Amino acid sequence: AQSVTQLGSHVSVSEGALVLLRCNYSSSVPPYLFWYVQYPNQGLQLLLKYTSAATLVKGINGFEAEFKKSETSFHLTKPSAHMSDAAEYFCAVSDRGSQGNLIFGKGTKLSVKP
Amino acid sequence: NAGVTQTPKFQVLKTGQSMTLQCAQDMNHNSMYWYRQDPGMGLRLIYYSASEGTTDKGEVPNGYNVSRLNKREFSLRLESAAPSQTSVYFCASRTDRGRGWGHTDTQYFGPGTRLTVL
Repeated sequence: AQSVTQLGSHVSVSEGALVLLRCNYSSSVPPYLFWYVQYPNQGLQLLLKYTSAATLVKGINGFEAEFKKSETSFHLTKPSAHMSDAAEYFCAVSDRGSQGNLIFGKGTKLSVKP
Repeated sequence: NAGVTQTPKFQVLKTGQSMTLQCAQDMNHNSMYWYRQDPGMGLRLIYYSASEGTTDKGEVPNGYNVSRLNKREFSLRLESAAPSQTSVYFCASRTDRGRGWGHTDTQYFGPGTRLTVL
């Protein structure tokens, strides 16, 4: 069965600092991986996705993620945090066995300090 | 395009009451989903519908029923609400361009319904 694990339920960074949110996956087949962002009191919005093309994926708002098969990881990064990046971030894997339904991690809440 | 819309935005129920959460999408998507979000649990799939006329159970279907009324609308019903169903409910939809493509297509989410069961 496929799964994702997000390390750290809360991450706090200073404005202008590097953002690193960790996601590790478990999958017996090449995975399709997604990062979604949820701003307070809103639904989820796609940041980026890995679909087996380029291993470095660029998304919206300056975020990017690198697929590393050897480390079974898909960590999300942004070089310089903005206050507007404060949100909850979810990593998800597409379940190849059931019509591609998404299996979500438990989420990481990002706080940005001025 | 309004995208995915959900009604109501907020609801308070007493234990044992019933209600239906409504979801509609105007993107001509084939697949629709209902999730619940609880603190520290991420999103868990309740039911999904891969196409009009079909529905399937997800990870946490107990206590819920769904109806795919037409291609646009997918409703979630709580027949006898329980405090354990206090949660934020999200509807989502996905296009599914054909066999194999659905795994990479993006799911689009509605704004959510906050449900409290007393």
